[in-house]
Amino acid sequence: GENVEQHPSTLSVQEGDSAVIKCTYSDSASNYFPWYKQELGKRPQLIIDIRSNVGEKKDQRIAVTLNKTAKHFSLHITETQPEDSAVYFCAAYFQKLVFGTGTRLLVSP
Amino acid sequence: NAGVTQTPKFQVLKTGQSMTLQCAQDMNHNSMYWYRQDPGMGLRLIYYSASEGTTDKGEVPNGYNVSRLNKREFSLRLESAAPSQTSVYFCASSEVDSWFYSSYEQYFGPGTRLTVT
Repeated sequence: GENVEQHPSTLSVQEGDSAVIKCTYSDSASNYFPWYKQELGKRPQLIIDIRSNVGEKKDQRIAVTLNKTAKHFSLHITETQPEDSAVYFCAAYFQKLVFGTGTRLLVSP
Repeated sequence: NAGVTQTPKFQVLKTGQSMTLQCAQDMNHNSMYWYRQDPGMGLRLIYYSASEGTTDKGEVPNGYNVSRLNKREFSLRLESAAPSQTSVYFCASSEVDSWFYSSYEQYFGPGTRLTVT
């Protein structure tokens, strides 16, 4: 079955810096790759997603890139702000969604 | 629209007790899911229902049963609770693109925090 690895497990940056979180997946049939943000005590919420027929997608300060050949995808957050502090999960979908183990991002003012 | 709702929000059980977690969605989604979330483990799929009338095992189904009561409701039952089932449980729903065998956004409920002593 699908396996998703996510790195790093924790990431500390200064406000205004960029943050990059990387994921690899094992099943080449996976075709949908969402990223979720989860604040403490809250439910996960989708922040951006990408499909296998697209290499990159951007939404304001957030971007996701996908390399199907290498089976990895990354989340890029530019100009980080303290409110970006949360746990971020990547996931890969083929018949069902499989999540990475999460990255705790801390943005210091 | 309430989205995805779950009851209860919190529950404490003794080992061996049973309980049912309820989930409902009002977005007319075909697919529904139950996950558990443990520290450092991400979200792990327990069971899912691709459409009304079908259910399938996920990654960690042991100790659980599910019922897709109708299109809106998907319940998770613990028949004999164990301390290892202490976790936060999330229900989710989504639409699925059956043409491309792909998914659209999964919407999560607020979660149920379950403690088994």
